Amino acid sequence: QQQVKQSPQSLIVQKGGISIINCAYENTAFDYFPWYQQFPGKGPALLIAIRPDVSEKKEGRFTISFNKSAKQFSLHIMDSQPGDSATYFCAAINQGGKLIFGQGTELSVKP
Amino acid sequence: GAGVSQSPSNKVTEKGKDVELRCDPISGHTALYWYRQSLGQGLEFLIYFQGNSAPDKSGLPSDRFSAERTGGSVSTLTIQRTQQEDSAVYLCASSIGQGAGGYTFGSGTRLTVV
Repeated sequence: QQQVKQSPQSLIVQKGGISIINCAYENTAFDYFPWYQQFPGKGPALLIAIRPDVSEKKEGRFTISFNKSAKQFSLHIMDSQPGDSATYFCAAINQGGKLIFGQGTELSVKP
Repeated sequence: GAGVSQSPSNKVTEKGKDVELRCDPISGHTALYWYRQSLGQGLEFLIYFQGNSAPDKSGLPSDRFSAERTGGSVSTLTIQRTQQEDSAVYLCASSIGQGAGGYTFGSGTRLTVV
């Protein structure tokens, strides 16, 4: 049972553009929402994370927007760079600590 | 160590053989996960260890898969009678505690069943 749905599956953005990846969750018991970045041949690495009592969190060019009532959250990458090309996973952690991932988005930033 | 260490990094095995994959989590991390990632696919949850609690095995795809965690540290994922569909990258992650987020992943073991 997929509890975190992620879109789009793939995304192509021009250098300098904004990349937007969306996720929706079903379980209201989730209490932490991390995003992971994965490069080929590597394990996923934590990029940025947010708790549901916060509507937005920004770290450098990366921003999470969180809509608790709609049970949706999104990742915005401002001024996208070719080095941002990777697969991005949203995730949710429930109160028991179980980490559940979205399906992933393959981002390609064209120079 | 500084990160999560997995071994071997690559494993090629013949169909029907058993394999053992090892994960050394970050020292002091009480939570440990195993995930499976098939080519171009997402992360499939396999099993979750949290401290001394009974592991959450709900993601193991069949009874050919098992995992243990000795002394609350090192974990071994065992796949018996491997099949070609078991070919994937097996990822391990650890975290300092329950619900704390910030899980750190290893680089994975790429398993190829021929």
